[in-house]
Amino acid sequence: EAAVTQSPRNKVTVTGGNVTLSCRQTNSHNYMYWYRQDTGHGLRLIHYSYGAGNLQIGDVPDGYKATRTTQEDFFLLLELASPSQTSLYFCASSGQNYEQYFGPGTRLTVL
Amino acid sequence: GDSVTQTEGLVTLTEGLPVMLNCTYQTIYSNPFLFWYVHYLNESPRLLLKSSTDNKRTEHQGFHATLHKSSSSFHLQKSSAQLSDSALYYCALSQNNYAQGLTFGLGTRVSVFP
Repeated sequence: EAAVTQSPRNKVTVTGGNVTLSCRQTNSHNYMYWYRQDTGHGLRLIHYSYGAGNLQIGDVPDGYKATRTTQEDFFLLLELASPSQTSLYFCASSGQNYEQYFGPGTRLTVL
Repeated sequence: GDSVTQTEGLVTLTEGLPVMLNCTYQTIYSNPFLFWYVHYLNESPRLLLKSSTDNKRTEHQGFHATLHKSSSSFHLQKSSAQLSDSALYYCALSQNNYAQGLTFGLGTRVSVFP
């Protein structure tokens, strides 16, 4: 079964802070995704990647950068965190069968 | 752009009764894939069902859904709800490119009571 891990699991920062969320998948999937989950908005796609060095813009990219350093690792960067970015962040990966495998999530609080 | 509509935000029901969650979608693509993901508390969202061909029923773990392109719908049904079905259910849409991310609906929270 697909294994997707995320770190940290919880993070608290202040407005203007710099945050990096990490995601690793160990199933040799080419595709990786970052979503945020908010009550009243569901899951929304922030960025995604087709492979190492590739980055695609999702539906809610403002305020976020991402980098895919290897096939396994995908990072989400918040360089000037704002309270509106307080959310539950999920990473996911997929192969060529459409099914996405999600990580356990990172709960981020921006004070 | 693409959109997915789930009309119920919260569904509460008694164990043993049938449940149906509505999902409709909008897309310009002629062959979208529709999905139902389930998110149990303190777990990761995971795939419950994936659509098959038009008007063909797909089933998994007692749940079933049928893609109807004529009405742009992919409603989720179960004949008898169980306490363990309490969770957040998302309907999601993928264009015919499997590499792109999914477009999710807002989700429907299901609470099943004894």
